[in-house]
Amino acid sequence: EVQLVESGGGLVEPGGSLRLSCAASGFLFRKAWMSWVRQAPGKGLEWVGHIKSEADGETTDYAAPVKDRFTISRDDSKNTVFLEMNSLKTDDTAVYYCTTLGSGSHYGYYYYYMDVWGRGTTVTVSS
Amino acid sequence: SSELTQDPAVSVALGQTVRITCQGDSLRKYYASWYQQKPGQAPLLLAYGNNNRPSGIPDRFSGSSSGNTASLTITGAQAEDEADYYCNSRDSSGKDQVVFGGGTKLAVL
Repeated sequence: EVQLVESGGGLVEPGGSLRLSCAASGFLFRKAWMSWVRQAPGKGLEWVGHIKSEADGETTDYAAPVKDRFTISRDDSKNTVFLEMNSLKTDDTAVYYCTTLGSGSHYGYYYYYMDVWGRGTTVTVSS
Repeated sequence: SSELTQDPAVSVALGQTVRITCQGDSLRKYYASWYQQKPGQAPLLLAYGNNNRPSGIPDRFSGSSSGNTASLTITGAQAEDEADYYCNSRDSSGKDQVVFGGGTKLAVL
């Protein structure tokens, strides 16, 4: 069964740090691109960032609100992707989802899609 | 970064057809993907690329695109289709980023 399980969420004070993990199973993790998406309470989905496979350079990209504060990494030997969050703000309060990130093209039109999602882990930033 | 615009709320009568739209400049270069989210659940991929559907997704869900607008059509809406729907695409600003629409809440009457 293809599965993603996030962990590491919790309550943290503003300015603090937290490390989220996402354990993958049921697919060839080392070839997968992985992303993080968050959802603040009562709000819509927001892309946080992604990391490509080792074969694709393990390149990362981040949304502007988290760039220079969040870091995505992966350990292919453990089928796990991480989200290191520093200098946390109250606006970072959200459910954080781990997803696979597929890509393709059709007649020159490129696309991304997130086909497998975890159940999410909740991060609350509050004093 | 690019933006994707969705109507906040749409309604459809049971068994009828509804189109949920997503507009943005990035859609002139990139296909959208569509997701369904029910309360308390993680999003579910419904359609991506040139009307591709993951296995297990009913064929009453279909995606299409024209110009700067992507659409998700539900043909014969069911009560269980009442949910929030989100589009996303690659950002067209030149950076390798992803952008989501604000979401559409669908009511099935």
